[in-house]
Amino acid sequence: QKEVEQNSGPLSVPEGAIASLNCTYSDRGSQSFFWYRQYSGKSPELIMSIYSNGDKEDGRFTAQLNKASQYVSLLIRDSQPSDSATYLCAVGESNTGNQFYFGTGTSLTVIP
Amino acid sequence: KAGVTQTPRYLIKTRGQQVTLSCSPISGHRSVSWYQQTPGQGLQFLFEYFSETQRNKGNFPGRFSGRQFSNSRSEMNVSTLELGDSALYLCASSAYPGRNQPQHFGDGTRLSIL
Repeated sequence: QKEVEQNSGPLSVPEGAIASLNCTYSDRGSQSFFWYRQYSGKSPELIMSIYSNGDKEDGRFTAQLNKASQYVSLLIRDSQPSDSATYLCAVGESNTGNQFYFGTGTSLTVIP
Repeated sequence: KAGVTQTPRYLIKTRGQQVTLSCSPISGHRSVSWYQQTPGQGLQFLFEYFSETQRNKGNFPGRFSGRQFSNSRSEMNVSTLELGDSALYLCASSAYPGRNQPQHFGDGTRLSIL
């Protein structure tokens, strides 16, 4: 069973701080990685995708990928109360098909 | 551009009944995947359809089935409902299958089994 593990939460950070969310995966052949944000009672919303080693920045969000360590992270700079949500890490399965494995999520609370 | 549309939003059923959930993907998207989300298990992959064919299936019993129509709309059916089937069922669409295609989720159908 291929696994995706996320750092246990809940995670609380003060407004304006950097929130760091981590994810490790077991499928060494995985090539695609996604971060979703899910507000309570809502569906997951895609916020970042990353396919190559290194950093990818989009506004206040930075995704970091290290395939050798099988590790992907999401940094949220200048955290806002509106960032309070559960963040899901998704990893594309290495074989053919469109199957993705999701972590159970990390709950983030940004304290004003 | 309209997003992924799932109907109904809420359903209450009793054990032993069956249920059909519907999903209309984003216009132009041809791949549809279904997931079950529960507080303890997170998002669990059910199956994926492309061109009216099931391409992948997750580790769920045969009571869970689905299909896709020629217009890419998809339905999911659960027969002989059990209490443990209570969950949020999410549909996600992407332009094509393939692990590099990001998926976009609908608002889900919340199924409660009494």
